[in-house]
Amino acid sequence: QVQLQQSGPGLVKPSQTLSLTCAISGDSVSSNSAAWNWIRQSPSRGLEWLGRTYYKSKWYNDYAVSVKSRIAINPDTSRNQFSLQLNSVTPEDTAVYYCARSPDYDSGGYYAPNFDYWGQGTLVTVSS
Amino acid sequence: QSVLTQPPSASGTPGQRVTISCSGSSSNIGSNTVNWYQLLPGAAPKLLIYSSNQRPSGVPDRFSGSKSGTSPSLAISGLQSEDEADYYCAAWDDSLNGWVFGGGTKLTVL
Repeated sequence: QVQLQQSGPGLVKPSQTLSLTCAISGDSVSSNSAAWNWIRQSPSRGLEWLGRTYYKSKWYNDYAVSVKSRIAINPDTSRNQFSLQLNSVTPEDTAVYYCARSPDYDSGGYYAPNFDYWGQGTLVTVSS
Repeated sequence: QSVLTQPPSASGTPGQRVTISCSGSSSNIGSNTVNWYQLLPGAAPKLLIYSSNQRPSGVPDRFSGSKSGTSPSLAISGLQSEDEADYYCAAWDDSLNGWVFGGGTKLTVL
């Protein structure tokens, strides 16, 4: 059973950097058949995918256009976890942040990417 | 403004069948499958339907998904009070090279 455990501060000051970590158990951040994502949810914007990291012979990242200039998602293979850094935050970045796994294939071996396992969520408030 | 479009609200009485639509474009729903998620207050999103019409193990068969062209939908039959939640569709977008979500549909069980 895959489990994702999030950690990080719930309060960040405007213009500073939001940092969260997602520890993985039951799978590997270096898996060749899964990607590791950050997603946030707010009342005003609903669910918003922020980006992902994945390994297919080398490491790749994809980021949402809305945050591309100030986001970094990095794997930590020694600790089997991945992190989110979002720079220059504003109150509009206040949201519940989730990490999530997206496998390439379902249990039947069919190509079926989705978000099947999620972290518990972290409410991050941007306020001075 | 979300890339995928859902009705903001839907409602039904216990036992009824409700459907929630999700519209998009050729770069997302037109060329990739759709997933549906349920958000209950205070809980992480739950995968309900993947690949447009597949149910993960443990999801009741009251939940079903269909895809007709670029108009996928989620159907909930035998509506129950615990189905009151927000529902989101999602798909990969080939032009944006990223996942996109609908704006969410708030389902009320009357």
